[in-house]
Amino acid sequence: QVQLVESGGGVVQPGRSLRLSCVASGFTFSNYGMHWVRQAPGKGLEWVVVISYDGSNKYYADSVKGRFTISRDNSKNTLYLQMNSLRPEDTAVYYCAKLRSDYGLYGSFDFWGQGTLVTVSS
Amino acid sequence: DIQMTQSPSSLSASVGDRVTITCQASQDISNYLNWYQQKPGKAPNLLIYDASNLETGVPSRFSGSGSGTDFTFTISSLQPEDIATYYCQQYDYFPLTFGGGTKVEIK
Repeated sequence: QVQLVESGGGVVQPGRSLRLSCVASGFTFSNYGMHWVRQAPGKGLEWVVVISYDGSNKYYADSVKGRFTISRDNSKNTLYLQMNSLRPEDTAVYYCAKLRSDYGLYGSFDFWGQGTLVTVSS
Repeated sequence: DIQMTQSPSSLSASVGDRVTITCQASQDISNYLNWYQQKPGKAPNLLIYDASNLETGVPSRFSGSGSGTDFTFTISSLQPEDIATYYCQQYDYFPLTFGGGTKVEIK
């Protein structure tokens, strides 16, 4: 069965960096675009970034552009999110999410990880 | 950016009631709209994709309709396990955007 397992969250000071990972299993990871979506405590869902199935295309939310970098290693079935220059407003649970349709960049998210909490605080 | 206005932000209904949530897009998004259910402490779960298609394994009491700018999500007979927050999401344009959510409670 499809599984997405995030890791790498934690408490970090403003201005510092953190890298999240999402290990995928149960499907052909290299065929699917992957997204990160975040949720601040008690708030709604916010889309963050997408990477195409082959890593050639990436789109970012304005709120993270220039600070966050998405990447993937299809040989390791792993998605990454490098987060630099972190701000208190980046505090959220970060979910990786798989697209329902293969080879696309957008659509519906049929599987989500359990989420990893990032807290940016001094 | 496309704004997704979801209403109501919360509702309270009795078991067996019909529940309706609306989502309005700030511009035409055709049928590029999804609905998710999120229970406390859990990741969202896809219920409806492409405005009206029921995801595999989702109970038939859930349904969606609409196109263009106005969309509706319906629970035909509310069950206790439906207590959750529901979100709409458009994917016609980047950035992908979600509605603010509707918290559904049992009266």
